[in-house]
Amino acid sequence: ELKVEQNPLFLSMQEGKNYTIYCNYSTTSDRLYWYRQDPGKSLESLFVLLSNGAVKQEGRLMASLDTKARLSTLHITAAVHDLSATYFCAVSYNTDKLIFGTGTRLQVFP
Amino acid sequence: DAGVTQSPTHLIKTRGQQVTLRCSPKSGHDTVSWYQQALGQGPQFIFQYYEEEERQRGNFPDRFSGHQFPNYSSELNVNALLLGDSALYLCASRTTGGKETQYFGPGTRLLVL
Repeated sequence: ELKVEQNPLFLSMQEGKNYTIYCNYSTTSDRLYWYRQDPGKSLESLFVLLSNGAVKQEGRLMASLDTKARLSTLHITAAVHDLSATYFCAVSYNTDKLIFGTGTRLQVFP
Repeated sequence: DAGVTQSPTHLIKTRGQQVTLRCSPKSGHDTVSWYQQALGQGPQFIFQYYEEEERQRGNFPDRFSGHQFPNYSSELNVNALLLGDSALYLCASRTTGGKETQYFGPGTRLLVL
């Protein structure tokens, strides 16, 4: 069965620094998603990656996909406090059933 | 354009009771999926509805059932509630066959005492 692992689980970073969150999945996937979740809130869609080598950027966040390595990364550039949240990656294959990772709880401090 | 809506926002029940949660998909969407998110964990897929039928099901017992109506809205029913059913229940919608993301509703937080 498709399994998804994220690391790190917790990330405390200083404003202005760069960091990367990693998402590994166990078997073939045709779609990879990144979501953001604020405490007590629902999931906000950030990116959908559909093909090998796909790269998408929005503001200080950039996501990429390597289907051969079964790896996606979410890169944070010059972090700001507003990025503090939990970030989930999720994958699916030929289905709408999303398999979510464990989440990465990001805290950005001054 | 309204996004995915869910009701109620919060609910408190006792063990053994039954609960019904409701979801209206985003305008133009015809597929609804339900997820359970326990505290501190990622969402777990419960099932998906399309054309008023359950199309896929995750690893949840038969106590969890659902329904989709002709207007694409959906209900999630949970019978014989257990303490472990306490969670945030999320509804997601999309257009079948598309490659777009699934849009999530605000969720219903269920507490079972």
